[in-house]
Amino acid sequence: QVQLVESGGGVVQPGRSLRLSCAASGFTFSSHAMHWVRQTPGKGLEWVAVIWYDGSNKYYGDSVKGRFTISRDNSKNTLYLQMNSLRPEDTAVYYCAKAAPLLDYWGQGTQVTVSP
Amino acid sequence: QLVLTQSPSASASLGASVKLTCTLSSGHDNYAIAWLQQQPDKGPRFLMNVNSDGTHTRGDGIPDRFSGSSSGAERYLTISSLQSEDEADYYCQTWGPDIWVFGGGTKLTVL
Repeated sequence: QVQLVESGGGVVQPGRSLRLSCAASGFTFSSHAMHWVRQTPGKGLEWVAVIWYDGSNKYYGDSVKGRFTISRDNSKNTLYLQMNSLRPEDTAVYYCAKAAPLLDYWGQGTQVTVSP
Repeated sequence: QLVLTQSPSASASLGASVKLTCTLSSGHDNYAIAWLQQQPDKGPRFLMNVNSDGTHTRGDGIPDRFSGSSSGAERYLTISSLQSEDEADYYCQTWGPDIWVFGGGTKLTVL
């Protein structure tokens, strides 16, 4: 069965960096675009970034453009999100999701807290 | 601009049916959407996609109590024979050129 497991979250000070990972299994990872989506406490879902199945295209939400970088390693079935210049408003649960092209499988999320 | 609009809340009684609505912004009424369910303290789960012609495809393991339909720019999720575990947040989602969009979510209370 499809499994997506996020890791790498934690508490970080404003201006610092963090890298999230998402380990995928149960499907042909290299055939699917993958997304990062976040959810702030008590709020809705916000799309963060997408990467094409082969890494050829990457798109970002306006709030993270220029600060976050999405990447993937198809040999390791792993998706990444490099987050730089973190701000308090980046505090959220971060989910990875498989695209088909609608987001049909999601991980359980990893918490990122940006605080002094 | 691609926007999805949902009512913030809905409620229905145990065993009854409820119909949730997701409205696409003007000019986007031919877009397909996905319905997602998020139970408390869990990640979202894909329920189904709903096309502009009303056809829908449920995700793996989603019971047929959940169904989808369309009318113009509106996409619907109908849940019949409501159960307590259906109490959750429901989101719709779609995509356009270089952008993926979520509705604000509807909190469903099962009375």
